[in-house]
Amino acid sequence: QVQLVQSGAEMRDPGASVKVSCKASGYTFSDYYVHWVRQAPGQGLECMGWINPNTGATFYAQRFRGRVIMTSDTSIGTAYMELRGLTSDDTAVYYCARDPSGSTNSFDLWGHGTMVTVSS
Amino acid sequence: DIVMTQSPLALPVTPGETASISCKSSQRLLHSNGHTYLDWYLQKPGQSPQLLIYLVSIRASGVPDRFSGSGAGTDFTLKITRVEAEDVGVYYCMQGLQSPWTFGQGTKVEIK
Repeated sequence: QVQLVQSGAEMRDPGASVKVSCKASGYTFSDYYVHWVRQAPGQGLECMGWINPNTGATFYAQRFRGRVIMTSDTSIGTAYMELRGLTSDDTAVYYCARDPSGSTNSFDLWGHGTMVTVSS
Repeated sequence: DIVMTQSPLALPVTPGETASISCKSSQRLLHSNGHTYLDWYLQKPGQSPQLLIYLVSIRASGVPDRFSGSGAGTDFTLKITRVEAEDVGVYYCMQGLQSPWTFGQGTKVEIK
């Protein structure tokens, strides 16, 4: 079954870090970029960046640079997104999504989302 | 970043009627390879978004032909004919031309 399975909900204190995982199955992991998209409660969708699992190349949106690190482990078909220096504004559902790199530039498969709550 | 602007932000519709959503980009979305990277997604309540339309007008696998996309340059439209109750949710346009890819604010479609 083609799917992206994400790690479970997390709660963190302000200033802490969180690392979310996204495990792919049913397709060749390295054939697709993995993007991370977040959605604050009641808000719209925001792209944070992407990783090319084949090369390890990454792109981070300007507002997250210096705070986010995206990695992948092709041996287990899993992508990771680590966000540091958390504030309450980072409370959101974080989605991973795959992109058939270099062709349609679209998200044809999404994970179920990981809720990250930042609160003291 | 490319700014995507949708209208309307809320759209009450009667089942069986046609709904139309507009999406405008701050830059042309035409790539030098000839592709225009504009997608439409639907996020049903409590679910992850799902791809409806890519490259302006191509329906994703399994998407009913009631959904159609059109447009060029900076102006795009999603049309839903014969709206059904299962079509409720928030519709987003997204540009995939330039990183970071960016979404419109979303249009909430509800049944009257």
